[in-house]
Amino acid sequence: GENVEQHPSTLSVQEGDSAVIKCTYSDSASNYFPWYKQELGKRPQLIIDIRSNVGEKKDQRIAVTLNKTAKHFSLHITETQPEDSAVYFCAATRGSNDYKLSFGAGTTVTVRA
Amino acid sequence: KAGVTQTPRYLIKTRGQQVTLSCSPISGHRSVSWYQQTPGQGLQFLFEYFSETQRNKGNFPGRFSGRQFSNSRSEMNVSTLELGDSALYLCASSRPSYEQYFGPGTRLTVT
Repeated sequence: GENVEQHPSTLSVQEGDSAVIKCTYSDSASNYFPWYKQELGKRPQLIIDIRSNVGEKKDQRIAVTLNKTAKHFSLHITETQPEDSAVYFCAATRGSNDYKLSFGAGTTVTVRA
Repeated sequence: KAGVTQTPRYLIKTRGQQVTLSCSPISGHRSVSWYQQTPGQGLQFLFEYFSETQRNKGNFPGRFSGRQFSNSRSEMNVSTLELGDSALYLCASSRPSYEQYFGPGTRLTVT
């Protein structure tokens, strides 16, 4: 099955700096890669996603890049703000009637004011 | 549009009992997936239902089961509860499409 590894496990950044989280996956058939943000006591919230036919996608301060050859994808948060503090999870799935999400272990991001 | 809802939000059970959790997907969504979240194992896939049929199953023992009704609402059942079943149980709904949206979860504590 799919194995998703996520690094780092914790990340502390100064407000205004950038944060980068990296994930690798093992199943070459995976073609959809979402990122979820989970604040303490809340549900995971889909913040951005990318499909395998796209190399990069951006939404305001967040962006995701995908390298299918190397089987890794990354989340980039620019101009971090205190409200960006949360646990971030990457995931991968084949899609196409197989929507099982395989998650990374999560990255706890702390933005220091 | 209302989001995914789950009931109950909190549950305390004792070992050996059974429990049923409920999930109502976003209106129009026909696929419901269930995940278990624990500090040690992270987010793990339990199963996925579409049109009342289980399409995919994770690596959990047979004590974990589920079903889906014709209105797409889904339930999951855990029989003979063990201490290790204490977790946050999340369901996610999808049209189906790639995007999955999570409910608030049911926090199950087994004592």
